[in-house]
Amino acid sequence: KQEVTQIPAALSVPEGENLVLNCSFTDSAIYNLQWFRQDPGKGLTSLLLIQSSQREQTSGRLNASLDKSSGRSTLYIAASQPGDSATYLCAVRQGGSEKLVFGKGTKLTVNP
Amino acid sequence: NAGVTQTPKFQVLKTGQSMTLQCAQDMNHNSMYWYRQDPGMGLRLIYYSASEGTTDKGEVPNGYNVSRLNKREFSLRLESAAPSQTSVYFCASSSLAPVDTQYFGPGTRLTVL
Repeated sequence: KQEVTQIPAALSVPEGENLVLNCSFTDSAIYNLQWFRQDPGKGLTSLLLIQSSQREQTSGRLNASLDKSSGRSTLYIAASQPGDSATYLCAVRQGGSEKLVFGKGTKLTVNP
Repeated sequence: NAGVTQTPKFQVLKTGQSMTLQCAQDMNHNSMYWYRQDPGMGLRLIYYSASEGTTDKGEVPNGYNVSRLNKREFSLRLESAAPSQTSVYFCASSSLAPVDTQYFGPGTRLTVL
């Protein structure tokens, strides 16, 4: 059974800092991995999707990497801003399945 | 283009009452999903529908039923609500191709007393 772990559960940083969020998964036979953002009381918004054949994806100040063989992904946020404060979740889709398995998220606080 | 919409936004039920959560998407997606989100448990899949007329169980289907009414709508029914079903419920949809990003609705916050 696929398990997705995100460490740390919470992170607080000063504005302007570059930071890395971590995601690990137990079964490397994934189809893709997604990173989502969730603001308090809101739904999830997809940030980046990495296919299993890809190593990384970039969108603006965000860069997500994938190392399938080691079961790890990282989300790099450059020059963090208070508006980046949210919970970040990663989710993996197994090959042959439509289902996503989610981690429990990392709650990020960027202090002005 | 509203994306994924859910009704109601909030609901309070008494134990044993029934209700239906509604979800609709206007992105012409084939796949739709129902999740619940609980503190410390993360997001868990309740049911999903790969296409109109098909539904499959997810990780936590007990106590729920679903209906894929048409391509746009996917409803979740609680026949006899229990306090353990107090949660935030999210509907999502996905096209699967060319890229299967999931799009989420704003959620329904349900309290069962």
